[in-house]
Amino acid sequence: DSGVTQTPKHLITATGQRVTLRCSPRSGDLSVYWYQQSLDQGLQFLIQYYNGEERAKGNILERFSAQQFPDLHSELNLSSLELGDSALYFCASTELSNQGETQYFGPGTRLLVL
Amino acid sequence: AQSVTQLDSQVPVFEEAPVELRCNYSSSVSVYLFWYVQYPNQGLQLLLKYLSGSTLVKGINGFEAEFNKSQTSFHLRKPSVHISDTAEYFCAVKAAGNKLTFGGGTRVLVKP
Repeated sequence: DSGVTQTPKHLITATGQRVTLRCSPRSGDLSVYWYQQSLDQGLQFLIQYYNGEERAKGNILERFSAQQFPDLHSELNLSSLELGDSALYFCASTELSNQGETQYFGPGTRLLVL
Repeated sequence: AQSVTQLDSQVPVFEEAPVELRCNYSSSVSVYLFWYVQYPNQGLQLLLKYLSGSTLVKGINGFEAEFNKSQTSFHLRKPSVHISDTAEYFCAVKAAGNKLTFGGGTRVLVKP
């Protein structure tokens, strides 16, 4: 158990709909990263938040957005869903040490768009 | 920008045989290197990491990896695999910025 939690585990929805994925980082971790894992694109970085502020953006579509709340949990919002958005969505939080940063991943949310 | 190449998409191996998963990266700056494992229908679990220090890194479940700067490689090895090692393995690199860049993954299928 990495200490990162994600809800829901599974989500089935229809095209055009909007969903919200939730992530709680490990206790004390300030950073949250979101990744998408799909069959055709592999594992791709979407976005990072640090202590409530957006820190970095990757291959995130404009239909997707995220935020990090004062209690440090994060939500990834996916709107106007398309079939191609079906994927596994992971969040990760980071352990900092003198040597560098290690990311620990949650169990993921499996999204199926029908 | 950095990139990661995992040279084998699938590796079949017999139980108790050794296995090596190859990973090469490209980056113009110093990097941190990671191996993650994903068991069927599960999330990513950290196997091991290289941040600094000794180039031979030992991880969980008997895995180890060696960082070779001159060859820009970080190959993963296990001397004797078990059925339970059947999974997909991802090599990842972290350089400038904080995001991880992943390789395409290597599926290991351990046969009895």
